Amino acid sequence: NAGVTQTPKFQVLKTGQSMTLQCAQDMNHNSMYWYRQDPGMGLRLIYYSASEGTTDKGEVPNGYNVSRLNKREFSLRLESAAPSQTSVYFCASSERGTGNSPLHFGNGTRLTVT
Amino acid sequence: AQSVTQLGSHVSVSEGALVLLRCNYSSSVPPYLFWYVQYPNQGLQLLLKYTTGATLVKGINGFEAEFKKSETSFHLTKPSAHMSDAAEYFCAVSGTNAGKSTFGDGTTLTVKP
Repeated sequence: NAGVTQTPKFQVLKTGQSMTLQCAQDMNHNSMYWYRQDPGMGLRLIYYSASEGTTDKGEVPNGYNVSRLNKREFSLRLESAAPSQTSVYFCASSERGTGNSPLHFGNGTRLTVT
Repeated sequence: AQSVTQLGSHVSVSEGALVLLRCNYSSSVPPYLFWYVQYPNQGLQLLLKYTTGATLVKGINGFEAEFKKSETSFHLTKPSAHMSDAAEYFCAVSGTNAGKSTFGDGTTLTVKP
């Protein structure tokens, strides 16, 4: 059982380049999330999708777009990468979008923007 | 509004000693509380959660946490540390919507032989 799978694991971009981070879950979860993790700052929510067909902004959405492609897949796109977007990005899913439903995380994508 | 404060960004204990990682929260609604562990180059894994019911919650790997509403705390403990417990630990609080979870800044646990 793979859980939450993220690709790629590592990526280096130049300022202004674009890329899409891919995420897929095989647990039949309804809700999916994108977080970024920066040293000493915990995790900050970028976007989430409570259910297939819906997306909502989180705490730090600027510079990002998302697509909930189907129930399994939730992608994050950087249209014009900036050095401030250097971070580790985590995708997560939960069975329901309710607060008592724990998050299941992928292993992350380590992105460097030069 | 909700927030989480983890006291101590780094905690060091000797193998076999008590582990105590502190977490205080604020929440305008009855909270759901979680502890997650992150090993190097991996994502976060759920250790334990408090939703309703018993205030002493047992998790994986011998960890437990007690929800104390009067102190707005949810401290994580383990009676005897093992070398494999070395990792970063995150406390999180959630209200009615999991998409609105708030994470603490994390505590790095070091276990000395």
